[in-house]
Amino acid sequence: EPEVTQTPSHQVTQMGQEVILRCVPISNHLYFYWYRQILGQKVEFLVSFYNNEISEKSEIFDDQFSVERPDGSNFTLKIRSTKLEDSAMYFCASVLAGEVGEQFFGPGTRLTVL
Amino acid sequence: QKEVEQDPGPLSVPEGAIVSLNCTYSNSAFQYFMWYRQYSRKGPELLMYTYSSGNKEDGRFTAQVDKSSKYISLFIRDSQPSDSATYLCAILHSGGSNYKLTFGKGTLLTVNP
Repeated sequence: EPEVTQTPSHQVTQMGQEVILRCVPISNHLYFYWYRQILGQKVEFLVSFYNNEISEKSEIFDDQFSVERPDGSNFTLKIRSTKLEDSAMYFCASVLAGEVGEQFFGPGTRLTVL
Repeated sequence: QKEVEQDPGPLSVPEGAIVSLNCTYSNSAFQYFMWYRQYSRKGPELLMYTYSSGNKEDGRFTAQVDKSSKYISLFIRDSQPSDSATYLCAILHSGGSNYKLTFGKGTLLTVNP
Protein backbone atom coordinates (compact mmCIF):
# COMPACT_ATOMS: atom_id res chain seq x y z
CA GLU A 1 0.00 0.00 0.00
CA PRO A 2 1.39 3.43 -0.92
CA GLU A 3 2.52 5.53 2.00
CA VAL A 4 4.10 8.87 2.81
CA THR A 5 7.67 8.55 4.02
CA GLN A 6 9.76 11.04 5.98
CA THR A 7 13.45 11.33 6.76
CA PRO A 8 15.13 11.53 9.13
CA SER A 9 13.00 10.03 11.87
CA HIS A 10 14.87 12.10 14.48
CA GLN A 11 16.98 15.20 13.95
CA VAL A 12 18.98 16.87 16.69
CA THR A 13 20.41 20.30 15.98
CA GLN A 14 21.88 23.29 17.73
CA MET A 15 19.92 26.51 18.04
CA GLY A 16 20.57 28.76 15.06
CA GLN A 17 21.38 25.93 12.68
CA GLU A 18 19.49 25.21 9.49
CA VAL A 19 17.58 21.97 9.11
CA ILE A 20 15.87 20.35 6.17
CA LEU A 21 13.14 17.81 6.76
CA ARG A 22 12.33 15.55 3.86
CA CYS A 23 9.15 13.89 2.73
CA VAL A 24 8.23 11.64 -0.14
CA PRO A 25 4.47 11.97 -0.71
CA ILE A 26 2.36 9.29 -2.34
CA SER A 27 3.32 9.33 -6.00
CA ASN A 28 0.11 10.44 -7.70
CA HIS A 29 -0.89 12.97 -5.04
CA LEU A 30 -0.93 16.63 -5.94
CA TYR A 31 -1.50 18.54 -2.66
CA PHE A 32 1.13 18.53 0.05
CA TYR A 33 1.14 19.71 3.63
CA TRP A 34 3.33 20.18 6.66
CA TYR A 35 1.91 20.00 10.16
CA ARG A 36 3.70 20.07 13.47
CA GLN A 37 2.95 18.78 16.94
CA ILE A 38 4.75 20.20 19.94
CA LEU A 39 4.89 17.65 22.76
CA GLY A 40 1.58 17.53 24.58
CA GLN A 41 -0.11 19.96 22.20
CA LYS A 42 -2.35 19.83 19.15
CA VAL A 43 -1.29 18.91 15.66
CA GLU A 44 -1.08 22.31 13.94
CA PHE A 45 -1.25 23.22 10.28
CA LEU A 46 1.87 24.92 8.94
CA VAL A 47 1.59 25.14 5.17
CA SER A 48 -0.09 23.70 2.11
CA PHE A 49 1.51 23.42 -1.33
CA TYR A 50 0.04 22.82 -4.74
CA ASN A 51 1.29 23.29 -8.27
CA ASN A 52 4.74 24.29 -7.06
CA GLU A 53 3.59 27.11 -4.87
CA ILE A 54 2.29 27.72 -1.37
CA SER A 55 -1.52 27.66 -1.21
CA GLU A 56 -1.82 28.75 2.39
CA LYS A 57 0.42 29.19 5.40
CA SER A 58 -0.30 29.64 9.08
CA GLU A 59 1.00 32.34 11.40
CA ILE A 60 3.63 29.89 12.59
CA PHE A 61 5.11 29.65 9.10
CA ASP A 62 7.22 32.81 9.19
CA ASP A 63 10.25 33.85 7.15
CA GLN A 64 12.38 31.21 8.87
CA PHE A 65 10.39 28.48 7.14
CA SER A 66 10.34 27.51 3.50
CA VAL A 67 9.07 24.60 1.46
CA GLU A 68 10.21 23.19 -1.81
CA ARG A 69 9.48 20.37 -4.19
CA PRO A 70 12.92 20.10 -5.79
CA ASP A 71 12.05 17.17 -8.02
CA GLY A 72 9.06 15.03 -8.86
CA SER A 73 9.11 13.05 -5.65
CA ASN A 74 10.51 14.96 -2.66
CA PHE A 75 8.83 17.69 -0.62
CA THR A 76 11.03 19.51 1.88
CA LEU A 77 10.59 21.83 4.84
CA LYS A 78 13.53 24.05 5.67
CA ILE A 79 13.99 25.95 8.89
CA ARG A 80 16.76 28.51 8.38
CA SER A 81 17.74 29.35 11.93
CA THR A 82 16.22 26.97 14.43
CA LYS A 83 14.91 28.10 17.80
CA LEU A 84 14.31 26.06 20.92
CA GLU A 85 10.55 26.38 20.36
CA ASP A 86 10.85 24.69 16.96
CA SER A 87 11.33 21.39 18.80
CA ALA A 88 8.37 19.27 17.74
CA MET A 89 7.18 16.39 15.59
CA TYR A 90 6.83 17.50 11.99
CA PHE A 91 4.36 15.60 9.84
CA CYS A 92 4.10 15.67 6.10
CA ALA A 93 0.78 14.83 4.46
CA SER A 94 -0.45 14.46 0.92
CA VAL A 95 -3.79 14.33 -0.83
CA LEU A 96 -4.93 13.06 -4.19
CA ALA A 97 -6.64 15.94 -5.98
CA GLY A 98 -10.35 15.91 -5.36
CA GLU A 99 -10.11 13.53 -2.41
CA VAL A 100 -11.39 15.91 0.22
CA GLY A 101 -11.19 13.56 3.16
CA GLU A 102 -8.06 11.60 2.54
CA GLN A 103 -5.00 13.40 3.90
CA PHE A 104 -2.38 10.69 4.33
CA PHE A 105 0.24 11.41 6.95
CA GLY A 106 3.83 10.31 7.16
CA PRO A 107 5.35 8.91 10.38
CA GLY A 108 6.89 12.26 11.29
CA THR A 109 10.33 13.68 12.01
CA ARG A 110 11.13 14.47 15.62
CA LEU A 111 13.16 17.68 15.67
CA THR A 112 15.08 18.47 18.82
CA VAL A 113 16.73 21.88 19.05
CA LEU A 114 19.36 22.20 21.78
CA GLN B 1 -11.30 31.54 19.53
CA LYS B 2 -10.50 27.83 19.89
CA GLU B 3 -11.93 26.07 16.86
CA VAL B 4 -11.93 22.47 18.08
CA GLU B 5 -12.02 21.37 21.70
CA GLN B 6 -11.44 17.82 22.84
CA ASP B 7 -11.14 16.32 26.29
CA PRO B 8 -7.58 14.93 26.40
CA GLY B 9 -8.46 12.21 28.91
CA PRO B 10 -6.76 9.86 29.50
CA LEU B 11 -9.54 7.31 29.19
CA SER B 12 -9.05 3.75 30.40
CA VAL B 13 -11.66 1.05 29.74
CA PRO B 14 -11.86 -2.76 29.97
CA GLU B 15 -11.85 -4.85 26.82
CA GLY B 16 -15.31 -5.11 25.30
CA ALA B 17 -16.51 -1.78 26.63
CA ILE B 18 -18.26 0.84 24.51
CA VAL B 19 -16.09 3.93 24.20
CA SER B 20 -17.43 7.42 23.57
CA LEU B 21 -15.06 10.15 22.42
CA ASN B 22 -16.29 13.70 21.97
CA CYS B 23 -15.36 17.07 20.57
CA THR B 24 -16.97 20.45 20.19
CA TYR B 25 -16.31 22.99 17.49
CA SER B 26 -16.94 26.68 17.14
CA ASN B 27 -17.76 27.48 13.52
CA SER B 28 -21.19 26.44 12.31
CA ALA B 29 -19.98 26.62 8.69
CA PHE B 30 -17.74 23.58 9.13
CA GLN B 31 -18.96 20.61 7.11
CA TYR B 32 -16.31 17.86 7.17
CA PHE B 33 -15.67 16.17 10.48
CA MET B 34 -12.79 13.73 10.77
CA TRP B 35 -11.54 11.18 13.23
CA TYR B 36 -7.88 10.23 13.17
CA ARG B 37 -6.11 7.59 15.23
CA GLN B 38 -2.51 8.09 16.25
CA TYR B 39 -0.35 5.37 17.69
CA SER B 40 2.72 6.29 19.69
CA ARG B 41 5.52 7.68 17.48
CA LYS B 42 3.37 7.43 14.35
CA GLY B 43 1.53 9.90 12.17
CA PRO B 44 -2.24 10.36 12.36
CA GLU B 45 -4.23 7.80 10.39
CA LEU B 46 -7.69 8.61 9.06
CA LEU B 47 -10.37 6.40 10.64
CA MET B 48 -13.47 7.90 9.11
CA TYR B 49 -15.16 11.15 8.33
CA THR B 50 -18.65 12.51 8.01
CA TYR B 51 -20.07 15.26 5.92
CA SER B 52 -22.76 17.42 7.47
CA SER B 53 -24.97 15.91 10.17
CA GLY B 54 -25.90 12.38 11.08
CA ASN B 55 -24.21 9.08 11.70
CA LYS B 56 -21.70 7.03 9.79
CA GLU B 57 -20.82 3.48 10.71
CA ASP B 58 -17.76 1.45 9.78
CA GLY B 59 -17.47 -1.87 11.54
CA ARG B 60 -17.13 -1.26 15.28
CA PHE B 61 -16.78 2.50 14.78
CA THR B 62 -19.60 5.05 14.53
CA ALA B 63 -19.06 8.75 13.91
CA GLN B 64 -21.84 11.13 14.81
CA VAL B 65 -22.30 14.83 14.16
CA ASP B 66 -24.84 17.09 15.82
CA LYS B 67 -24.59 20.41 14.01
CA SER B 68 -27.21 22.08 16.19
CA SER B 69 -24.96 21.72 19.23
CA LYS B 70 -21.66 21.69 17.29
CA TYR B 71 -20.80 18.34 18.82
CA ILE B 72 -19.00 15.42 17.20
CA SER B 73 -18.61 11.94 18.64
CA LEU B 74 -16.85 8.70 17.91
CA PHE B 75 -18.20 5.48 19.40
CA ILE B 76 -16.18 2.29 19.53
CA ARG B 77 -18.12 -0.91 20.20
CA ASP B 78 -16.52 -4.05 21.63
CA SER B 79 -13.27 -2.19 22.24
CA GLN B 80 -10.04 -4.16 21.83
CA PRO B 81 -6.56 -3.66 23.32
CA SER B 82 -5.39 -2.85 19.76
CA ASP B 83 -7.70 0.19 19.86
CA SER B 84 -5.39 1.73 22.47
CA ALA B 85 -4.16 4.94 20.85
CA THR B 86 -4.74 8.68 20.78
CA TYR B 87 -7.91 9.65 18.92
CA LEU B 88 -7.92 13.03 17.25
CA CYS B 89 -11.00 14.82 16.05
CA ALA B 90 -10.44 17.32 13.28
CA ILE B 91 -12.29 19.71 11.05
CA LEU B 92 -11.45 19.74 7.36
CA HIS B 93 -12.09 23.19 5.99
CA SER B 94 -11.21 25.27 3.02
CA GLY B 95 -7.99 27.24 3.16
CA GLY B 96 -7.50 29.07 -0.08
CA SER B 97 -7.45 26.67 -3.01
CA ASN B 98 -7.44 23.53 -0.93
CA TYR B 99 -8.44 22.08 2.41
CA LYS B 100 -6.59 22.00 5.70
CA LEU B 101 -7.15 20.21 8.97
CA THR B 102 -7.69 21.79 12.36
CA PHE B 103 -7.24 19.23 15.10
CA GLY B 104 -8.43 18.79 18.63
CA LYS B 105 -5.87 17.96 21.25
CA GLY B 106 -6.57 14.22 21.12
CA THR B 107 -7.89 11.74 23.68
CA LEU B 108 -5.54 9.03 24.89
CA LEU B 109 -7.46 5.74 25.11
CA THR B 110 -6.23 2.61 26.83
CA VAL B 111 -8.21 -0.62 26.48
CA ASN B 112 -7.19 -3.09 29.15
CA PRO B 113 -7.32 -6.85 28.43
